[in-house]
Amino acid sequence: EAAVTQSPRSKVAVTGGKVTLSCHQTNNHDYMYWYRQDTGHGLRLIHYSYVADSTEKGDIPDGYKASRPSQENFSLILELASLSQTAVYFCASSWTGGSQNTLYFGAGTRLSVL
Amino acid sequence: QQQVRQSPQSLTVWEGETAILNCSYEDSTFNYFPWYQQFPGEGPALLISIRSVSDKKEDGRFTIFFNKREKKLSLHITDSQPGDSATYFCAFSAGNKLTFGIGTRVLVRP
Repeated sequence: EAAVTQSPRSKVAVTGGKVTLSCHQTNNHDYMYWYRQDTGHGLRLIHYSYVADSTEKGDIPDGYKASRPSQENFSLILELASLSQTAVYFCASSWTGGSQNTLYFGAGTRLSVL
Repeated sequence: QQQVRQSPQSLTVWEGETAILNCSYEDSTFNYFPWYQQFPGEGPALLISIRSVSDKKEDGRFTIFFNKREKKLSLHITDSQPGDSATYFCAFSAGNKLTFGIGTRVLVRP
């Protein structure tokens, strides 16, 4: 059973529209992350959270908001979607109590902005 | 600001050969170096990792070589198998954030 579940798995959005990507984890992890993947750029961190009701900016937060309403759920919000936000988005979770920071990723959401 | 450099971007080897993937970094505070493997249509998954106190880590056919002085590391895949065809990311951490390289796409031909 997938411990990090993303929805939807794919989405087509119009430029200027609002997009919400959802992530749910059953790992009981404290940290959750949103990354985007683009050819030539690898995985880049957008936002992350270490506790419910709190989010932190990652390396490329511009144009994105995040929401962590509970330990299990973490959403990524594009208020005004743009063409440049076409990418594959990955959610991940990790636990700070372990000896190493292993990220457990979801299967990804492929977003196309037209 | 490019903190992590990964090369080559793509690599093709024959079954049974050794594939060598390279990474370098700039931030001396990095102390944890995992490699993630990603198959098409899936999210990345941890393959193998090393801490800065070690210079080598082996797990089956996968070995990390780490040179702290030169801030370089490499992943060797020995006896490569077609099932190893995937994209491999090196990553670096000094806390709870991971910084990833751009990835190396490996194709193993039978």
